[in-house]
Amino acid sequence: KQEVTQIPAALSVPEGENLVLNCSFTDSAIYNLQWFRQDPGKGLTSLLLIQSSQREQTSGRLNASLDKSSGRSTLYIAASQPGDSATYLCALPNSGGSNYKLTFGKGTLLTVNP
Amino acid sequence: NAGVTQTPKFQVLKTGQSMTLQCAQDMNHEYMSWYRQDPGMGLRLIHYSVGAGITDQGEVPNGYNVSRSTTEDFPLRLLSAAPSQTSVYFCASSYRPLLREGSGANVLTFGAGSRLTVL
Repeated sequence: KQEVTQIPAALSVPEGENLVLNCSFTDSAIYNLQWFRQDPGKGLTSLLLIQSSQREQTSGRLNASLDKSSGRSTLYIAASQPGDSATYLCALPNSGGSNYKLTFGKGTLLTVNP
Repeated sequence: NAGVTQTPKFQVLKTGQSMTLQCAQDMNHEYMSWYRQDPGMGLRLIHYSVGAGITDQGEVPNGYNVSRSTTEDFPLRLLSAAPSQTSVYFCASSYRPLLREGSGANVLTFGAGSRLTVL
């Protein structure tokens, strides 16, 4: 069974700082990995999807990397802004016999202070 | 293009009552799923569907039923609500089932959520 861990659980940084969020997984036989953002009381918004054949994906100030051999993905946020404050979750499909099931990490709560 | 629409947004039930959470998408997505989100537990998959007429269980299916009679709709039924089903429920869909590699096709789109309280 795929297990997904996100460290740290919470992170507080001053505005303008570059930061890295971490996602670790136990089964590297994955097709893709997704990063999501969740604002309080809202649904999840997809930020980036990395295919297993890719090593990284970029969107604006966000860059996500994937290292299947080490079971790790990172989300890099450049020049953080207060509007980046949210919970960030990574998710990837289960492998083995569990088809079509997505496993989520518990998320990192990011606070960017003005 | 409304995306994924969930109704109701809030619901309070008494133990033993039944209800249906509605989910509809207008993006012609093959894959639809229901998650529940609880503090400290994260998001857990309840049921999913890879197309009309096809459903399967996720991680926590007990106490919930689903059906997929059309591509657009994927309702979640609570037959006899229990306090343990107090949670926030999210419906999510993607164009393709998640295990097929394909740029963009696997991106999961979520609804805004339904907050359910069972007394």
